[in-house]
Amino acid sequence: ETGVTQTPRHLVMGMTNKKSLKCEQHLGHNAMYWYKQSAKKPLELMFVYNFKEQTENNSVPSRFSPECPNSSHLFLHLHTLQPEDSALYLCASSQDSPTSGETQYFGPGTRLLVL
Amino acid sequence: DQQVKQNSPSLSVQEGRISILNCDYTNSMFDYFLWYKKYPAEGPTFLISISSIKDKNEDGRFTVFLNKSAKHLSLHIVPSQPGDSAVYFCAASAVQGAQKLVFGQGTRLTINP
Repeated sequence: ETGVTQTPRHLVMGMTNKKSLKCEQHLGHNAMYWYKQSAKKPLELMFVYNFKEQTENNSVPSRFSPECPNSSHLFLHLHTLQPEDSALYLCASSQDSPTSGETQYFGPGTRLLVL
Repeated sequence: DQQVKQNSPSLSVQEGRISILNCDYTNSMFDYFLWYKKYPAEGPTFLISISSIKDKNEDGRFTVFLNKSAKHLSLHIVPSQPGDSAVYFCAASAVQGAQKLVFGQGTRLTINP
């Protein structure tokens, strides 16, 4: 596999469920990101990890819990979500310690529906 | 407060003609700008970028223009092809808070045969 992969591609869950989204990058990058894309809204940055350390939490509710066990893998653990959390969740990675000018490469996304 | 705006949600262009997608920004600290292209059921794909030290960057059929005084950038595609039909996002970042790419809402481009 090449690039950035995400599983599952689609997920339907109830508000009391616990689920996890997985992202894996095969690019040798050191920074990884979670974004949320809601209908008719811009992509919103949620979390940033650089060399496995979280460097940004963009005021995300605690029902979203990220985990980065190594530079190639990133998880987003979901617990007691709300229907308004239904969205496309995108993972991205970039090469190095982020500086301006860094290009991010995206996975295909997980389309989440919370009932 | 939306710092990056794409005011046209959609654009329709005849095949072979020029497509021009526009993007405005408000944060004068932005110094790097990117365009991404997104097909349905896929993640955004990097297309082209420009640094604030330049006012034009060209890559094949794609050219990005930056007007810093107007805080405006545009993406020109010429000639337009049916495979260019997609949603195009502009994004910007600044040295401060450098990891944070700020995206516009996207413009859906449709190329008509």
